[in-house]
Amino acid sequence: DVKVTQSSRYLVKRTGEKVFLECVQDMDHENMFWYRQDPGLGLRLIYFSYDVKMKEKGDIPEGYSVSREKKERFSLILESASTNQTSMYLCASSGTGGNQPQHFGDGTRLSIL
Amino acid sequence: GDSVTQMEGPVTLSEEAFLTINCTYTATGYPSLFWYVQYPGEGLQLLLKATKADDKGSNKGFEATYRKETTSFHLEKGSVQVSDSAVYFCALSDWGTSGSRLTFGEGTQLTVNP
Repeated sequence: DVKVTQSSRYLVKRTGEKVFLECVQDMDHENMFWYRQDPGLGLRLIYFSYDVKMKEKGDIPEGYSVSREKKERFSLILESASTNQTSMYLCASSGTGGNQPQHFGDGTRLSIL
Repeated sequence: GDSVTQMEGPVTLSEEAFLTINCTYTATGYPSLFWYVQYPGEGLQLLLKATKADDKGSNKGFEATYRKETTSFHLEKGSVQVSDSAVYFCALSDWGTSGSRLTFGEGTQLTVNP
């Protein structure tokens, strides 16, 4: 089974801090994704990556950056955390091809105080 | 662009009732279709998928058939259990349009009462 592991289930940080959310997958998937999930807004794609050192903006990239130095690891960075970035963050990975499902981690519930 | 529309929730049923959650889509190509389930406090889990017209995906008693003529992928289960209480997301992948990206519906909250 595919395993997508997010480094923290719960995280509390302060406004202005630089925050790193880590995600690791064990299935040699090419594609990795970061979403945020908010009540009433559904799932929104922040960034994704099709290969090592490659990144693409999703629908809401403002205030975020990403890093993919190794195939199995995809990091989401909040450069200067703000309270409106309090949310549930979900990482996913998939193989290449339109019929490949995405496999999700358990999520990180991030609170910015 | 591609889009997915799910029936609005929340949906509340009694145990052993029949479940239908409607999902319709618009896509420019020939999408693959998925249902995901999210239990409280967890990430999304793939429930089932279908990759071409008339395919039926099934898992854990849930079923959905890819209907190209009606652009639908409704989720059904004959007899729900309390443990099925969760949020259900319909999604599509349209390789020619958006590569490996998924387009999600808004999600439908299901509560099953004993």
